Amino acid sequence: AQSVTQPDIHITVSEGASLELRCNYSYGATPYLFWYVQSPGQGLQLLLKYFSGDTLVQGIKGFEAEFKRSQSSFNLRKPSVHWSDAAEYFCAVGALTGGFKTIFGAGTRLFVKA
Amino acid sequence: DTGVSQDPRHKITKRGQNVTFRCDPISEHNRLYWYRQTLGQGPEFLTYFQNEAQLEKSRLLSDRFSAERPKGSFSTLEIQRTEQGDSAMYLCASSLDRAGSHTGELFFGEGSRLTVL
Repeated sequence: AQSVTQPDIHITVSEGASLELRCNYSYGATPYLFWYVQSPGQGLQLLLKYFSGDTLVQGIKGFEAEFKRSQSSFNLRKPSVHWSDAAEYFCAVGALTGGFKTIFGAGTRLFVKA
Repeated sequence: DTGVSQDPRHKITKRGQNVTFRCDPISEHNRLYWYRQTLGQGPEFLTYFQNEAQLEKSRLLSDRFSAERPKGSFSTLEIQRTEQGDSAMYLCASSLDRAGSHTGELFFGEGSRLTVL
């Protein structure tokens, strides 16, 4: 069965500093991988996704993520964090098993300090 | 594109009462998903529809929960005889999936928050 682990419950970074959020997945085949962001009072929004091809994917708002099959990881990065990036970030894995089901990690809450 | 809308946004009810949530997906989307999110957790899959057919239900979905998507448009999620453990945010998402062309991207509504007293 699919599963996603986000080891960090929360992370605090200074504005302008770089960011890396960790994600490890478990899935028997090549996964579809996603990062979503949830800001307070808002619905989840897709930041980026990986299906195949180049293992470094670019997303919205200056985010990128790298798929590493050998480590079963899909870490999210941003070179310079802005105060508006403070939110909850969810890594997710999707699988084509008959239908298409997406399983989410528990999330990492990002705090940005001035 | 008006996005995914959910109603009501907030519902407070007493234990034992029935509640119903409605989700209106993006109009051309053929798949509709229900998730539940509790504090400090990620969304947990409950069920999904392809058009009007309910294709999968999670073990989390007890027999007190029922979901429908008549005519493949809006969907309702009903919880009967609510319990305090049902208190959560209920999220609806939709997607457009065609055979051989799966984007996998889910478009979420803002959720319906249920509080059971």
